[in-house]
Amino acid sequence: GQNIDQPTEMTATEGAIVQINCTYQTSGFNGLFWYQQHAGEAPTFLSYNVLDGLEEKGRFSSFLSRSKGYSYLLLKELQMKDSASYLCAVRDAPGGYQKVTFGIGTKLQVIP
Amino acid sequence: EPEVTQTPSHQVTQMGQEVILRCVPISNHLYFYWYRQILGQKVEFLVSFYNNEISEKSEIFDDQFSVERPDGSNFTLKIRSTKLEDSAMYFCASRGPQDLQETQYFGPGTRLLVL
Repeated sequence: GQNIDQPTEMTATEGAIVQINCTYQTSGFNGLFWYQQHAGEAPTFLSYNVLDGLEEKGRFSSFLSRSKGYSYLLLKELQMKDSASYLCAVRDAPGGYQKVTFGIGTKLQVIP
Repeated sequence: EPEVTQTPSHQVTQMGQEVILRCVPISNHLYFYWYRQILGQKVEFLVSFYNNEISEKSEIFDDQFSVERPDGSNFTLKIRSTKLEDSAMYFCASRGPQDLQETQYFGPGTRLLVL
């Protein structure tokens, strides 16, 4: 089966850096995604990792360690608009039709 | 920028009624998906669709559910006889053939309320 764990809530200060961790146990592995979801809205794509290491995209970076079943999303220079849920999701097999399994999401609150 | 669209944005129905949720994926995309999210819970996979047939479905996607791509642009999810527990946000997603990251792009969702 699939198991994806991430903290349910985090709070951070505007302008600061926050790291959101995700661990997973899946029957296979073919990529890890991070999505942002504002309340009542659809998930929007942030990052994709399939190889070990760090992927940087502007204020957001994502890290993957396949041997540890671990990823984190790093948000720098936090802005109030970054308050949202951050969803870790894993695809367990190759193939364009393959589903993505989501974690519960980490609700991040950015405070002034 | 092209985007996935969904209609209606909200739907209220009586238990036992049939509902059809509609999606227009991004035009050159070939892989299509339905997910649902019960309020306060995680996003759950329902079904994937490729080459005019279901590729994979979850245990949630039972005989009450069906999908169709009737005209080459729309992608629909039908629930034949709705139950109270079908109340959720339903998201359509699509993925393009040349996307190396194999990213799924989500529509804005349809909020379904079964009374």
